[in-house]
Parts: sequence; structure tokens; C-alpha cells
Amino acid sequence: NAGVTQTPKFQVLKTGQSMTLQCAQDMNHNSMYWYRQDPGMGLRLIYYSASEGTTDKGEVPNGYNVSRLNKREFSLRLESAAPSQTSVYFCASKDPTVYEQYFGPGTRLTVT
Amino acid sequence: GQQVMQIPQYQHVQEGEDFTTYCNSSTTLSNIQWYKQRPGGHPVFLIQLVKSGEVKKQKRLTFQFGEAKKNSSLHITATQTTDVGTYFCAGGSNYKLTFGKGTLLTVNP
Repeated sequence: NAGVTQTPKFQVLKTGQSMTLQCAQDMNHNSMYWYRQDPGMGLRLIYYSASEGTTDKGEVPNGYNVSRLNKREFSLRLESAAPSQTSVYFCASKDPTVYEQYFGPGTRLTVT
Repeated sequence: GQQVMQIPQYQHVQEGEDFTTYCNSSTTLSNIQWYKQRPGGHPVFLIQLVKSGEVKKQKRLTFQFGEAKKNSSLHITATQTTDVGTYFCAGGSNYKLTFGKGTLLTVNP
């Protein structure tokens, strides 16, 4: 099992460009999450999907959109990137019977 | 909304010294989880505490959940260089977690 995979690993964007971060899990988990991590700020929840077909805002959703494409895949889209969105983005997934979240390796995004 | 505060933000120790990080929530937690993130890596689940006053041990790591279920601590006995990383606590519901800002532990060999 690959667990949680994320693409790309690194990305540099110019202000105003758009892009989609991809996340997939092969553990048959119902719930999936997108976090951003900034120095000294910990992990902040952007959006989550408790189950296929549902999505909800987290703590910092502004400037982002998500799509739960199917049970395996949960993508995060930046429509018009801003320097404030420079961050490390982590996707995570979770089985409904346990509390533990499994994290992907992260995408390091720089917006210039 | 729920806030989870963690102290200290940084801790530097000599190898062999003990280390403790503390976590406090603004609300009562149904459970608390601890994660470790190695430098350049991703968070990895360590443990979950559910019961009031619960204490769990993993080798040199001891985790405690407060009686009021609003605070928790992680204690590492006799740190090793392999303990380097950021330790996060997280509390919340079955669907959503709120993470503390983490404690970065560095160990001088």
C-alpha cells in the first residue's frame, strides 16, 4: 500500500496563476483533509471531506476550493495564487472507526 | 472555535536529558492525539488518549490526559538524537482535529 500520495512534491507559481494539488489514498478511508503548515503556526485545516460527496470548510478556507472526486481522491485548487499561500500543504485521510489521521508527504508551494 | 495551545514552542536539550511538552485546550476534549513530525517530513500519529486521567507509555515516552480532559502532556525520558522533531497535540471530534502549534525538540549529542 502506498498510503496517502500527493502530487506535485514541489511547485513554484507566479501571483495570479492557478493550480490543483492532487491527493489520493489507497486505504479505503472515508474522510480526507487538506492542511497547510506555516512556520510557527502548526497545521491549519483548510477543507475536509467527511465522506464521499461531502466537503466542509475548515479554519482557513479563503482562496481555496476542493473536489472529492471519488472515495480515493481529494484535490485542492488555488484559483488565483497569492504570496500568502506560500506554504507546505498536507493531505490526510482517516478511517471512520478510529481517530488517527494518516498524512501524505506534502507539497511545498512557493508563490512569487 | 476550539483552541489548542502548546508550550514550549522550542526546547533544546542535551542527549540524555528529559523533555516535556504541554498542551491546553480552551474546551473539554473528547480525546487528544499526539503526532511527531521529523524535519522535512510529515506528521506521524503516536498515540490517542480518551479517558480522564489516562496515562499511556511507549518505551521512553509517557503521555497523560488531564482529569478535566482539557490538558495533556508528553514526557520523554533520556532523550536521544532520534527524538528530534516537532511534537504536536491535536484535539477535536471524530471528523475534525485542531492542532496545537507544536514543540520543536532539538537534541545535542
